[in-house]
Formats: sequence, C-alpha cells, structure tokens
Amino acid sequence: AQTVTQSQPEMSVQEAETVTLSCTYDTSESDYYLFWYKQPPSRQMILVIRQEAYKQQNATENRFSVNFQKAAKSFSLKISDSQLGDAAMYFCAYRSLVYGNKLVFGAGTILRVKS
Amino acid sequence: GAVVSQHPSRVICKSGTSVKIECRSLDFQATTMFWYRQFPKKSLMLMATSNEGSKATYEQGVEKDKFLINHASLTLSTLTVTSAHPEDSSFYICSARGHDRGPEQYFGPGTRLTVT
Repeated sequence: AQTVTQSQPEMSVQEAETVTLSCTYDTSESDYYLFWYKQPPSRQMILVIRQEAYKQQNATENRFSVNFQKAAKSFSLKISDSQLGDAAMYFCAYRSLVYGNKLVFGAGTILRVKS
Repeated sequence: GAVVSQHPSRVICKSGTSVKIECRSLDFQATTMFWYRQFPKKSLMLMATSNEGSKATYEQGVEKDKFLINHASLTLSTLTVTSAHPEDSSFYICSARGHDRGPEQYFGPGTRLTVT
C-alpha cells in the first residue's frame, strides 16, 4: 500500500519570505498523481498544485512550485513571497492510477506566517 | 471551477438519533464521491467511496450499517450517521470527482457533527 509522509508537523515563515514543505511517499507504481492541498482555518480543502508522475517538469502555480524527485520519491512544495493568507494546514496526497480514485494523505504540516 | 456543497454545515443531535449530511456537486457530474472524517489538527481519514448508482465501498474498520452512504444521482451523495453516539462527533468532509474534471478531488466545506 502507498504511504505519504510529511515529516514537519509545523513550519513558520516570515511574510514575503520563501518556505519549503517536505513530502515523501512510498509506491511501487510508475504512474500516479501527486497533489498539495491547503486547509485554512475555514477547513475548506483547496487544491494548490498537481503533478503527474510521467512529467519531468516541475509544476508551478503562481507563487507555488514543487520539486518533484521521482527516484527519491520526494515531492516538496515551495511557497515564494509568503502571504498571511498562506497560513493553513498543508496536505500532500498521492493518487494511484491503478487502484482507483482514492487519495492517500500525509499527516499534514501547519504553516504559520509571521508579519 | 468545480464547486461542491455540503449541508448542513453544523448539526447537533442527541445520542441515539440519526442525522443525514448531503453532498452536492453544483457545476459538474460527480461520477465518484468520497466521504472523509477529520479530527482536530489531523489528516483526513477516508471512510468510503461511492459511485453513482452502486453500493459504496467502505474502508476497513468503518461500519457500513452505522454510516449509510447513498449516491443516487450524479450530483448528490448522502451520509447518514445512524444511532449516533458522542464518539461519532467529528468533522465530516465529502469530495467529488468527475470524469471530465481531471484527476483531482474537489472538496465540500465540511459538516461539524456534535452528538450530545
């Protein structure tokens, strides 16, 4: 079974600075999807970014980018120019292409943004 | 975008009663819907997966007779917590996926259930 590990329970970043959230996963599959979701205090889950495993190019969405290292099974999220609205719990998630539609979530990282 | 709603957002019920939570995809057809449970500051725990018109697939350890899931149409799934007990108090989140909406799941805003 696939597993997702987020080793940082909490992180802090100064406003306008850059922060990187770590995620590693374990799988024997070659094709899959990886996601980062954000859950602010409202608890609404918001998709931040998606990466297809077959794509070598790292996904980017405005201030959010990932460092996808397939061989190392690592999928970190970089947030540039951090804003107060980035404060949230961030979840890394894995989705198999073989075993249905389920998402496997990591434990989450709480990100605090200091002004 | 893909919008998913949940109703109610908060519900308080007495122990022993049943409560129904609705999940609707507002602007797309949800071929698959998912129900999660989340404890404070914890990750999402998948309870079950439902496909329109078929029985839900429950995760190991989730009581199917206690958490009844119905996915009667391509835009609506319901979760009924039967004979609720205080330990069922939690935050319940649904998500939906449409075959024409990519591999992502789109999440509802969640329902806070309190059983007294």
